[in-house]
Amino acid sequence: AQSVTQPDIHITVSEGASLELRCNYSYGATPYLFWYVQSPGQGLQLLLKYFSGDTLVQGIKGFEAEFKRSQSSFNLRKPSVHWSDAAEYFCAVNQAGTALIFGKGTTLSVSS
Amino acid sequence: NAGVTQTPKFRVLKTGQSMTLLCAQDMNHEYMYWYRQDPGMGLRLIHYSVGEGTTAKGEVPDGYNVSRLKKQNFLLGLESAAPSQTSVYFCASTNSGRAMESFFGPGTRLTVL
Repeated sequence: AQSVTQPDIHITVSEGASLELRCNYSYGATPYLFWYVQSPGQGLQLLLKYFSGDTLVQGIKGFEAEFKRSQSSFNLRKPSVHWSDAAEYFCAVNQAGTALIFGKGTTLSVSS
Repeated sequence: NAGVTQTPKFRVLKTGQSMTLLCAQDMNHEYMYWYRQDPGMGLRLIHYSVGEGTTAKGEVPDGYNVSRLKKQNFLLGLESAAPSQTSVYFCASTNSGRAMESFFGPGTRLTVL
């Protein structure tokens, strides 16, 4: 069965520092991978997605993610974090063209 | 263009009561979904629909029923609410195709006492 693992439940990063959020997936075929962000009390917003081509994908708000098939990973990165990036981040894989399967999420706190 | 809307935003129920959550989308999307979000659990799929008149079970369907009588609407019903159904419920929609983005509603916070 498909699954997504986000090993870090909570991460704290200083404002201006770089960020990497980890995501590992289990999927037999070519994965369709997504990162979503959820600000407190809000719905989910798509940051970026990967389904083919260049393994480094760019998203909104300065985020990028790199797909590594050999490591079954799709880690999210940002070179310089802003206080407004504090939120919960979800990695997801598309299950056989029907629905997204989500990881349990990583909460990002930004310290000044 | 309102995107995905959910009604109501908040609700408190007593154990055993019933209610229906309404999801509406104005993007002419084929697929619609209901998820529940609980602390530390991420989002878990309850039911989904791949088109008008069709529904299917997701990961956690017990205690819920759904209907998709119109393409733009997807209803989630709780026939006899239980405290374990206290959660935040999100509706989402997308066009067909695995690479298509899912658009999410703002959520409904349900408390069952």
